[in-house]
Amino acid sequence: RKEVEQDPGPFNVPEGATVAFNCTYSNSASQSFFWYRQDCRKEPKLLMSVYSSGNEDGRFTAQLNRASQYISLLIRDSKLSDSATYLCVVSTGGGNKLTFGTGTQLKVEL
Amino acid sequence: GAVVSQHPSWVICKSGTSVKIECRSLDFQATTMFWYRQFPKQSLMLMATSNEGSKATYEQGVEKDKFLINHASLTLSTLTVTSAHPEDSSFYICSAGQGAYNSPLHFGNGTRLTVT
Repeated sequence: RKEVEQDPGPFNVPEGATVAFNCTYSNSASQSFFWYRQDCRKEPKLLMSVYSSGNEDGRFTAQLNRASQYISLLIRDSKLSDSATYLCVVSTGGGNKLTFGTGTQLKVEL
Repeated sequence: GAVVSQHPSWVICKSGTSVKIECRSLDFQATTMFWYRQFPKQSLMLMATSNEGSKATYEQGVEKDKFLINHASLTLSTLTVTSAHPEDSSFYICSAGQGAYNSPLHFGNGTRLTVT
């Protein structure tokens, strides 16, 4: 079983739609959780950290369920510019060593 | 904000040659930097953790004699792919974090290596 699992997609949605991605992680000792965005042939960029209480940043909402070991990302009012691959990232143990999911590809269409 | 700079952005080299990639933290000091590799349609895989002033820690399966890492200062880490072969062609990305452990990392812009 992979340490971090995501549905690779692609998810094709119309502009303005609401879309949600889930991610599961296997190590219950994982401490920190993030969503990164990666555009084609570019480096990943931090989208948001994920907290147990849930957090929101504009159109983006992230949730963490430690009991079920899953993380979610909700995107409201999708824009064409949201088209990218969304990476679920988990940090386990001390230090900044991260484990990446394979990513979920989102395509927002007119 | 924190910026990590990586050079070169892309390189094409012949099989058997060595390629050096630089990773710099521009406005913060990074005692630890990370080197990742990403093959097409796959996730980023951690290759090694670069520690300033000491030896790098390599992940299982990564040859330390082939991927030489030097972290001579708090703002610079280098990765040298020695005797590169076509199977080393990949997207190499460095990252560094500032502040406390488990803080989000910032990534360099990546280096696309093609070995012919």
